Amino acid sequence: DAKTTQPPSMDCAEGRAANLPCNHSTISGNEYVYWYRQIHSQGPQYIIHGLKNNETNEMASLIITEDRKSSTLILPHATLRDTAVYYCIVRVPNQTGANNLFFGTGTRLTVIP
Amino acid sequence: DAGVIQSPRHEVTEMGQEVTLRCKPISGHDYLFWYRQTMMRGLELLIYFNNNVPIDDSGMPEDRFSAKMPNASFSTLKIQPSEPRDSAVYFCASSWWQGGGTDTQYFGPGTRLTVL
Repeated sequence: DAKTTQPPSMDCAEGRAANLPCNHSTISGNEYVYWYRQIHSQGPQYIIHGLKNNETNEMASLIITEDRKSSTLILPHATLRDTAVYYCIVRVPNQTGANNLFFGTGTRLTVIP
Repeated sequence: DAGVIQSPRHEVTEMGQEVTLRCKPISGHDYLFWYRQTMMRGLELLIYFNNNVPIDDSGMPEDRFSAKMPNASFSTLKIQPSEPRDSAVYFCASSWWQGGGTDTQYFGPGTRLTVL
């Protein structure tokens, strides 16, 4: 069962920041927020994860609200190669259980030239 | 490292035939996952292994599906007999626990299965 809610689709102009929202109002204290993306016909690719602090890596930034009920993935300068389906997942890392990685339907981001 | 390797990349078979999908995880990873992706159901976790031992197979659709991991560098997903509704892209992924929430899964390129 989905623990997250994401908009089904978004557009972003090339070179602009892409801000992808995710609601996870029932998140537990020990659950992390993970973001993956899937470019057409490829396997999903890890982007970033966080618990409660904002995180940044070479691909993106993750902003988690203070109450942890929502987060935003930021691609600072979107390129055409960022066109993909983006999945927001909340889970306890390294925990057993087949429902531990539920991808949901994600947000289809289209970067427009 | 070459990443997660899956074979074949494409498989077309007829209903009733046995299908075997293969996966080589990234060296040093101790978790291996099998997923199935369809337009209708999205990405579903079928089964996963830890240190070659199946931990949870509750996502396996029915007894026609079976998975094995005879050693740390090889796993198979078998469908016998195959049915048209098994047509999907099957992904294999591997990971290892690094602490601090870091157990990133690395996915293979997938096997596109078509059952006629």
